[in-house]
Amino acid sequence: GAGVSQSPRYKVTKRGQDVALRCDPISGHVSLYWYRQALGQGPEFLTYFNYEAQQDKSGLPNDRFSAERPEGSISTLTIQRTEQRDSAMYRCASSSVQGGNSPLHFGNGTRLTVT
Amino acid sequence: QKEVEQDPGPLSVPEGAIVSLNCTYSNSAFQYFMWYRQYSRKGPELLMYTYSSGNKEDGRFTAQVDKSSKYISLFIRDSQPSDSATYLCAMSDPNAGKSTFGDGTTLTVKP
Repeated sequence: GAGVSQSPRYKVTKRGQDVALRCDPISGHVSLYWYRQALGQGPEFLTYFNYEAQQDKSGLPNDRFSAERPEGSISTLTIQRTEQRDSAMYRCASSSVQGGNSPLHFGNGTRLTVT
Repeated sequence: QKEVEQDPGPLSVPEGAIVSLNCTYSNSAFQYFMWYRQYSRKGPELLMYTYSSGNKEDGRFTAQVDKSSKYISLFIRDSQPSDSATYLCAMSDPNAGKSTFGDGTTLTVKP
């Protein structure tokens, strides 16, 4: 079956613009996670959902970042008024079981560049 | 100080060598321990998944957890060039609902 799909694969945007990053998890996976990964570093937690409910958004850097998963499947991470420091790889992961104890299945990420 | 510390390497070994990768952590609440492998331009993929202390073996890979020392290891036997990748340790607190990752160790296995 298909893995976790993220789009776009690459996004270049000008400072001040809004961007929306999309994640389509593995079918039937109940939990969905957003991570950010800088070059040479491990994934850094942003937020996660069980079904459509956002369980933890403590990793979102500031109020310019938001995420939703309205129907418990596809999720969108939105960054408003982008800044250069937002440039990074944004990774989505899903898991078949609720809670962070189950293995994560990652997508190939969206590389965001803010110029 | 980060909750999870991992030596970034890089680590370079000849084909057939035994590789040891390690992480230390500070959060006593971590109960689940994972190793992910990440190839260049790809997302991390799960390699090993263990609960609490002890050893787990899967083919050429062995994961060890020592909760008393807050130390986990991944051993790769008979390393192959295809094992060349970045290895990320990750761990989770059952009550937190999320995994915390190390920064990864980059491994190169030379033919």
